[in-house]
Amino acid sequence: GDSVTQMEGPVTLSEEAFLTINCTYTATGYPSLFWYVQYPGEGLQLLLKATKADDKGSNKGFEATYRKETTSFHLEKGSVQVSDSAVYFCALTLASGGSYIPTFGRGTSLIVHP
Amino acid sequence: KAGVTQTPRYLIKTRGQQVTLSCSPISGHRSVSWYQQTPGQGLQFLFEYFSETQRNKGNFPGRFSGRQFSNSRSEMNVSTLELGDSALYLCASSQTGGSGYTFGSGTRLTVV
Repeated sequence: GDSVTQMEGPVTLSEEAFLTINCTYTATGYPSLFWYVQYPGEGLQLLLKATKADDKGSNKGFEATYRKETTSFHLEKGSVQVSDSAVYFCALTLASGGSYIPTFGRGTSLIVHP
Repeated sequence: KAGVTQTPRYLIKTRGQQVTLSCSPISGHRSVSWYQQTPGQGLQFLFEYFSETQRNKGNFPGRFSGRQFSNSRSEMNVSTLELGDSALYLCASSQTGGSGYTFGSGTRLTVV
């Protein structure tokens, strides 16, 4: 079946460090790819998305490029802030009977120290 | 534009009881999905409703059920609660799903 694999956390960084969170996927078709972020005590928020190969999603300084050849969608940010501390989820969706139920990775916790 | 609203935010129930959780999607969103989030299992899909019909169902026992009303509001019900049902229950809505989902803040259910 379809699946998403994320690097295990927590990822601990100092403020202004470079961030990479790895995400790879397995899918039977051509999925759309997403990153969601979950702050403590809240639900998930859509951070960015890419719908086809070589697309780059970006938002709030975060970027991820849809790499079909390596089936990856790694999340990057050039300079993290304390406020970026959260859990990040990589997800894919594939159309099935008009439905697009996301398959989520296990999540990667990011802790940024001042 | 109001977000996805889930009520209540917190709930404590006793084993064997039943519980109903409510979700109001973003206006105009017809797809509503429910997820169970636990530290051990991560995010697990429960079911999806679209135009009052259950369109997809995850791998959960029949104690978990849901419904959607004509105004797209949705409820999920868990009967005969077990300790293992303690989790954060998240509702998400979408116009089409392909462009991503908007999640509510969740209902934290504790079964004692």
